[in-house]
Amino acid sequence: NAGVMQNPRHLVRRRGQEARLRCSPMKGHSHVYWYRQLPEEGLKFMVYLQKENIIDESGMPKERFSAEFPKEGPSILRIQQVVRGDSAAYFCASSPQAGLETQYFGPGTRLLVL
Amino acid sequence: DQQVKQNSPSLSVQEGRISILNCDYTNSMFDYFLWYKKYPAEGPTFLISISSIKDKNEDGRFTVFLNKSAKHLSLHIVPSQPGDSAVYFCAASVGGADGLTFGKGTHLIIQP
Repeated sequence: NAGVMQNPRHLVRRRGQEARLRCSPMKGHSHVYWYRQLPEEGLKFMVYLQKENIIDESGMPKERFSAEFPKEGPSILRIQQVVRGDSAAYFCASSPQAGLETQYFGPGTRLLVL
Repeated sequence: DQQVKQNSPSLSVQEGRISILNCDYTNSMFDYFLWYKKYPAEGPTFLISISSIKDKNEDGRFTVFLNKSAKHLSLHIVPSQPGDSAVYFCAASVGGADGLTFGKGTHLIIQP
């Protein structure tokens, strides 16, 4: 049973480019969460999605960041016009349903903005 | 305003002894708590959780204690093993349905 998969594992972008991060949840999981970890910090919640719905985007920056979880395919976190401050590790987690359910994390995508 | 605090950035424990990692929270609405372990360049790995209706949960070498009145939880690892050396994150949620709120982590070092 494959775990949460994220790709790419490493991504290098120049300022102003777009970054597209993908997450495939565990089989049977319909809830996806995105987190960002800055150096020496804990993980910070960004957005919570179910298939075709954004449930909570309270942690998402208002500009340049967007997320989707289409009916078919992986969840995508998209960062437009990246800046150096976007350099971080981005983790995706999934859970089978809402309620007191454990979230299982993927290996992360390390984004470096030059 | 940090709602989940891990006040010890690092902790060194001798192999075979007990490791105790602490976590404090301020939001009384939190009702589900989790501990994750993280190695460098990997994602967090779930260890153990506890809901607010309990005060203790045990799984093998790992035990989590919850003191709701003090808004404090702790993770006990006994006996500590070299493979336990990692960063440990405490996390909390309201109703388990939303994003987790994480502490900054404690780096546990197990010494031979």
